Amino acid sequence: QVQLVQSGAEVKKPGASVKVSCKASGYTFTRHYIHWVRQAPGQGLEWLGAINPSGGAASYAQKFQGRMTMTRGTSTTTVYLELSTLSSDDTAIYYCAILSSDGTDSWGQGTLVTVSS
Amino acid sequence: EIVMTQTPLSLSATPGQPASISCKSSQSLLHSDGKTYLYWYLQKPGQSPQLLIYEISSRFSGVPDRFSGSGSGTDFTLKISRVEAEDVGVYYCMQAIDGVTFGPGTKVDIK
Repeated sequence: QVQLVQSGAEVKKPGASVKVSCKASGYTFTRHYIHWVRQAPGQGLEWLGAINPSGGAASYAQKFQGRMTMTRGTSTTTVYLELSTLSSDDTAIYYCAILSSDGTDSWGQGTLVTVSS
Repeated sequence: EIVMTQTPLSLSATPGQPASISCKSSQSLLHSDGKTYLYWYLQKPGQSPQLLIYEISSRFSGVPDRFSGSGSGTDFTLKISRVEAEDVGVYYCMQAIDGVTFGPGTKVDIK
């Protein structure tokens, strides 16, 4: 079955960068875009962007352009989200997800990123 | 950016009774391909979101038939015909015609 498994929790200082991974399995990796969505404590869902594993092209929410990079691994079924110049506003659970694509919808377990001095 | 709004933002439901949530988008979600890119998700406490409804009214695999979606253009509704205790959580509508944006969420609890 389709599965997205994310890397573990991170604690970062303001101004630092963080890189979260999402390993996909159970399907043809290039078949579905992988999206990143975050959820600040007690808040709603915020879409960050998406990457096409076939080719690696990524699109970003305007708010995060220039500060966020999505990449795919070479010869692995893993995608990465890197966010730079972190502030306390970036404290959130970060999810990777396949959003309703050809009958598939699947979310990772989430990665808590805490930004604190 | 397409803005999604939901009403109500919180709902206290009675088991066995119906409940509904409204979602409005700032632009039409009808694509030239004939599909309308409106989805409904439920996030149960402590869990990742799960898809309930795609393209306005199609139930995702395994979703009970007490959940139904309707609407068109910019106005959409999620209905639960008979609320059950396991339906508690936050319901989000989402558009995917132009990037992706979520509504603010509707928190549903049981009376």
